[in-house]
Amino acid sequence: QSALTQPASVSGSPGQSITISCTGTSSDVGGYNYVSWYQQHPGKAPKLMIYEVSNRPSGVSNRFSGSKSGNTASLTISGLQAEDEADYYCSSYTSSSTWVFGGGTKLTVL
Amino acid sequence: QVQLQESGPGLVKPSQTLSLTCTVSGGSISSGGYYWSWIRQHPGKGLEWIGYIYYSGSTYYNPSLKSRVTISVDTSKNQFSLKLSSVTAADTAVYYCASYRLDAFDIWGQGTMVTVSS
Repeated sequence: QSALTQPASVSGSPGQSITISCTGTSSDVGGYNYVSWYQQHPGKAPKLMIYEVSNRPSGVSNRFSGSKSGNTASLTISGLQAEDEADYYCSSYTSSSTWVFGGGTKLTVL
Repeated sequence: QVQLQESGPGLVKPSQTLSLTCTVSGGSISSGGYYWSWIRQHPGKGLEWIGYIYYSGSTYYNPSLKSRVTISVDTSKNQFSLKLSSVTAADTAVYYCASYRLDAFDIWGQGTMVTVSS
């Protein structure tokens, strides 16, 4: 199973919005609504931010939103804040009954 | 609130078996709806799903690791474990245990670094 494709880095200024893409295939992202997004600060464990493409767990800011079109899922962060600077990973269930992650995207808040 | 904590040796010799345990607190490992997972992260790299287990013992593994991986559960101790055999330097990574619920990995342990070296 190949890793999902994410941009290596994105950046934005405080208050702006950014979008991180996550591209897979019809055997993973395109085939299931089981896409999730994780935030990871340096030296910390990942934190679930979005599940089932667009649902936010309790306690996650509504500045974070998710969507999907075809084989590509997206994470949008609006009203960027300094604390949003982190690595972000997408993940998807696959037709092989396994899970695959993206390579990760480093978000820099300028 | 469920919390997870990994434990085990931080250094393993090549060709030996890596063994880690994840202790679940704040909830029962036998609770329905949860799969108990292992995920690793090579230094400076992305995340790799290793596999997961249901409390009943059903397991699912990453095909790339399946021949070397065993995940088991001990409901009496509220723990689940990972064994990875025939390790090499390529298995050096931070290993996380996580619960799988809501069709995602919702709760993570802090992670434990395992180095494979003689």
